[in-house]
Amino acid sequence: QITLKESGPTLVKPTQTLTLTCTFSGFSLSTSGVGVGWIRQPPGKALEWLALIYWDDDKRYSPSLKSRLTITKDTSKKQVVLTMTNMDPVDTATYYCAHSHHTSSWLYDYWGQGTLVTVSS
Amino acid sequence: DIQMTQSPSSLSASVGDRVTITCRASQGIRNDLGWYQQKPGKAPKRLIYTASSLQSGVPSRFSGSGSGTEFTLTISSLQPEDFATYYCLQHNSYPYTFGQGTKLEIK
Repeated sequence: QITLKESGPTLVKPTQTLTLTCTFSGFSLSTSGVGVGWIRQPPGKALEWLALIYWDDDKRYSPSLKSRLTITKDTSKKQVVLTMTNMDPVDTATYYCAHSHHTSSWLYDYWGQGTLVTVSS
Repeated sequence: DIQMTQSPSSLSASVGDRVTITCRASQGIRNDLGWYQQKPGKAPKRLIYTASSLQSGVPSRFSGSGSGTEFTLTISSLQPEDFATYYCLQHNSYPYTFGQGTKLEIK
């Protein structure tokens, strides 16, 4: 059974760096094809794709946020970490992590519950 | 980036109605598209993958079709639990992109 759970601060100040951790179970990030991605959703708005990391450490980023994002993995801890620098109130959103795979059948099939991050002074 | 244009942005319908939601891609994406349902305060749930494959456990009243640039999600007979927001996601090329969502409301 695949599960994912996001953790991190609920409140950050403008200009600070946000660090979110996705802790997962039920799969391994050392298995060929497997990935974990991050998606966010501002209150009342649409989903926005942020970043994705694969088992082979291939990393993909949203071009509009690439300069501010870093995604890393710790295979042994079963964790994926997303950092976002220079936070702004417009970054207030629920941040989700999701299981992914190069094979479409298993792409974004399981999601975490999400964590709401508010950016405010 | 590939733009996904979803329509309508909102829709009022009644229980038992047949409903269709459309996503158009700004360029061809083969069948690299999924459909997601999201209820308030909950994570998105995948309904359809590769444009027309039904996710295990999802009722058969949901179906998807299309290829290339135009895709549809159809709910054949709306049930009370289907009132939610629906999103498409293209995964043909990076960055992956979502449609802007369709909010399905009770008439």
